[in-house]
Amino acid sequence: EAGVAQSPRYKIIEKRQSVAFWCNPISGHATLYWYQQILGQGPKLLIQFQNNGVVDDSQLPKDRFSAERLKGVDSTLKIQPAKLEDSAVYLCASSLDRDSPLHFGNGTRLTVT
Amino acid sequence: AQSVAQPEDQVNVAEGNPLTVKCTYSVSGNPYLFWYVQYPNRGLQFLLKYITGDNLVKGSYGFEAEFNKSQTSFHLKKPSALVSDSALYFCAVRDMVDYGQNFVFGPGTRLSVLP
Repeated sequence: EAGVAQSPRYKIIEKRQSVAFWCNPISGHATLYWYQQILGQGPKLLIQFQNNGVVDDSQLPKDRFSAERLKGVDSTLKIQPAKLEDSAVYLCASSLDRDSPLHFGNGTRLTVT
Repeated sequence: AQSVAQPEDQVNVAEGNPLTVKCTYSVSGNPYLFWYVQYPNRGLQFLLKYITGDNLVKGSYGFEAEFNKSQTSFHLKKPSALVSDSALYFCAVRDMVDYGQNFVFGPGTRLSVLP
């Protein structure tokens, strides 16, 4: 089966600019996650979707981050405006359901200068 | 609240020797536990999981993990390490009782297998 696809792989922007990341999960996976992984730390959940509905966005900085999953398939994560501390790898993952193993994409490495 | 600790930032082991990567957890109810591996510039890959049943769980690439409820641990093990096992390893936990909780990942342990 094809894995979780993410783009772009790398992005460099200046602070206060906007950026968007795209994710295409494994076909048939109802649950989609966005994680932020800061260098030297474990992944931290930003938002979880079940089909096209948000299940958990309690750790999403909603003043600058937004995400959507239209039609319950692809998802986009946006940061507007970016801050220096947003520099991290943004990982998308999908799973059949909440109890199944997560399948991760290769991530987008964001550098904010 | 649920949490997971990986007490070692780095583990070094010689090729062919057994390896252990430690993980301890804290949950209110029973734990649902995973191990993932991350290679450079890649996402995390699933290795194995524990829900219930046998305390020794076998996973991918010859890895296994031992669940110890009394010590609240879920250590990852492999009888004979390979250089290709060098990577970053993450333990993750979720409380099975508090279904509203999502998985929490540990900070990771970097494993270096020396030839």
